[in-house]
Amino acid sequence: GENVEQHPSTLSVQEGDSAVIKCTYSDSASNYFPWYKQELGKGPQLIIDIRSNVGEKKDQRIAVTLNKTAKHFSLHITETQPEDSAVYFCAASSTGTASKLTFGTGTRLQVTL
Amino acid sequence: GAGVSQSPSNKVTEKGKDVELRCDPISGHTALYWYRQSLGQGLEFLIYFQGNSAPDKSGLPSDRFSAERTGGSVSTLTIQRTQQEDSAVYLCASSLDPVGIRAFFGQGTRLTVV
Repeated sequence: GENVEQHPSTLSVQEGDSAVIKCTYSDSASNYFPWYKQELGKGPQLIIDIRSNVGEKKDQRIAVTLNKTAKHFSLHITETQPEDSAVYFCAASSTGTASKLTFGTGTRLQVTL
Repeated sequence: GAGVSQSPSNKVTEKGKDVELRCDPISGHTALYWYRQSLGQGLEFLIYFQGNSAPDKSGLPSDRFSAERTGGSVSTLTIQRTQQEDSAVYLCASSLDPVGIRAFFGQGTRLTVV
């Protein structure tokens, strides 16, 4: 089955700096890669996603890049703000009848003033 | 509704009791997923529904866990004879269809077994 590894587990940046979170996946058949943000006491919120036919996608301060050959994808947050502080999860969806998401173990991002 | 709704938001139960957790998906979403999140951990897949049927139950930890979905909408996750290791946040998500389309999560049910 699919295995997703995520690094780093914790990340502290100063407000205004950029943050990068990286994930690798094992199943070359995976074709959908979402990123979720989870704030304390809340469910994961989808913030951006990318499909395997695209190499990069941007949405304001957030961007995701995908390298299918290397089987890794990354989340980039620019001009970080205190409200970006949360736990971020990457995920991958293997093709097949289930299309269930396999999640990374999460990155706790702390944006300091 | 506007989003995925789960109830109760918190549940404390005694070891050995049965519990039922409810999920109301986004209206019109045909796919529904249950995940479990243990303290400080990532999300662990439990079961997936397409309509009322469950093509993938591979994540259910034991035969104490079961789930059903009726009318292609509401789903119930039942845990029988709860154990302390069942304590976790149980998250439900729904998507318009299962083929890589965006899944939206509810706020979860925090289950504590004492």
